[in-house]
Amino acid sequence: QVQLVESGGGVVQPGRSLRLSCAASGFTFSNYALHWVRQAPGKGLEWVAVTSYDGSNQYYVDSVKGRFTISRDNSKDTLYLEVNSLRDEDTAVYYCAKDRWAVMGPTAYFDSWGQGTLVTVSS
Amino acid sequence: DIQMTQSPSSLSASVGDRVTITCRASQSISNFLNWYQAKPGKAPKLLIYAASSLQSGVPSRFSGSVSGTDFTLTIASLQPEDFATYYCQQSYTTPLFTFGGGTKVDIK
Repeated sequence: QVQLVESGGGVVQPGRSLRLSCAASGFTFSNYALHWVRQAPGKGLEWVAVTSYDGSNQYYVDSVKGRFTISRDNSKDTLYLEVNSLRDEDTAVYYCAKDRWAVMGPTAYFDSWGQGTLVTVSS
Repeated sequence: DIQMTQSPSSLSASVGDRVTITCRASQSISNFLNWYQAKPGKAPKLLIYAASSLQSGVPSRFSGSVSGTDFTLTIASLQPEDFATYYCQQSYTTPLFTFGGGTKVDIK
């Protein structure tokens, strides 16, 4: 079955960086777009970023543009999120999620999710 | 930007109750609306896609419908495992996505 396992979270000071990973198994990784979604404490889900099946296209929510970079290594079945210039408001559980399609389209949905990794930004 | 407004933000219900959650889009999004269930410490789960299609493996007590820009998730008979937070998500503006604010369903 599909498994997505996030790692790399932790406590980090404002302005510093972190790299989150999402290890996938149970499906042909290189055939699907992948997303990062986050949930701040006591708040709802917020879509963060997406990469197409081959990593050639990436899109971001405005609040992280220029600070976060989504990437993937299809040889390792792993998705990444490089988070830089961290702010207090980036504190959240970060989930990776699998798209139903290889490239993004309006009929997209997220059919599998990981359990998340917690990033806490604090001095 | 398309805003997704969910209501209510929380509700209390009993096992066996019929529960209805609404998500209103700020403009037309056709039927490009999905519903998810989230529980603390667990992976969120897709319930409904394309407004009314039941994801494989999801119990048939869950259903979705649409009327214009108003989308509804209905749980026909609430079960103990259904106490959770529910989110709508629009995919009309793909590759950018928006979630609703969530509806927490807890025990009365």
